[in-house]
Amino acid sequence: GQNIDQPTEMTATEGAIVQINCTYQTSGFNGLFWYQQHAGEAPTFLSYNVLDGLEEKGRFSSFLSRSKGYSYLLLKELQMKDSASYLCAVRNSGYALNFGKGTSLLVTP
Amino acid sequence: DSGVTQTPKHLITATGQRVTLRCSPRSGDLSVYWYQQSLDQGLQFLIQYYNGEERAKGNILERFSAQQFPDLHSELNLSSLELGDSALYFCASSVGDESDLYGYTFGSGTRLTVV
Repeated sequence: GQNIDQPTEMTATEGAIVQINCTYQTSGFNGLFWYQQHAGEAPTFLSYNVLDGLEEKGRFSSFLSRSKGYSYLLLKELQMKDSASYLCAVRNSGYALNFGKGTSLLVTP
Repeated sequence: DSGVTQTPKHLITATGQRVTLRCSPRSGDLSVYWYQQSLDQGLQFLIQYYNGEERAKGNILERFSAQQFPDLHSELNLSSLELGDSALYFCASSVGDESDLYGYTFGSGTRLTVV
C-alpha cells in the first residue's frame, strides 16, 4: 500500500515563497505528481518528477528525493489566485495515482 | 474544457437507490480512472480500466461497480446508496502507459448528494 503525508493547511503572503512538503511510503514507485485543485473544481496538473532533483516550471518548482521518500512543491511570487489545495500523488507501477489528502494554501494580501 | 466529459454534473437521490455516472475520456486516451472525493478523505482511487479491461482496483466498495465499453467511455454504478456516499466523483483519463508524463486529465466531476 501507500502512505502519503502532507500538511493540512498553510498560509503565506502575496509575493512571498512557500514550500509544501510531501513524504511517502510506497511499495512501488513510478513517479510523483503535484496537482492544484480549486474548491469544487477538477485537479489540474502542475508537475512531475521521476528522477531525483529539481524540476522548474515558471513560478512553480518541484523536488524529489526517492531515497528519502520526500518531495516538495515550491511556489514563488505568490498571487492571490494561488489560494487552492495542492495535492501530492504517487504513481505505482500500474499507472494509477494515489493522492495525499492535500494541503490547503491560503494566500493573504 | 479538459476533454474528459462527465455526466451528470449534479445528482440528488435517496438512500437505497442506484445511480450511474458516465465518463467519456479524452480522445486518444485508453485508460479511465474513477475517484471519490469527500471532505475528510481527499481523493480516493476507486478503479482503473485500460482499453476495456480492469487494470487496478483501489478502495471500491462491493456496492460499486464500473465498466469500460468498446468506445472507451466508462460508467460507474453506485447501488444501495448511503448518506456517506455523498461526494464528488471524478473521472480521469490518460494514455495509460510509459508515455504518461503528465499524469491524468480530470473531468469536472459529478457531485452526488444522497438524502
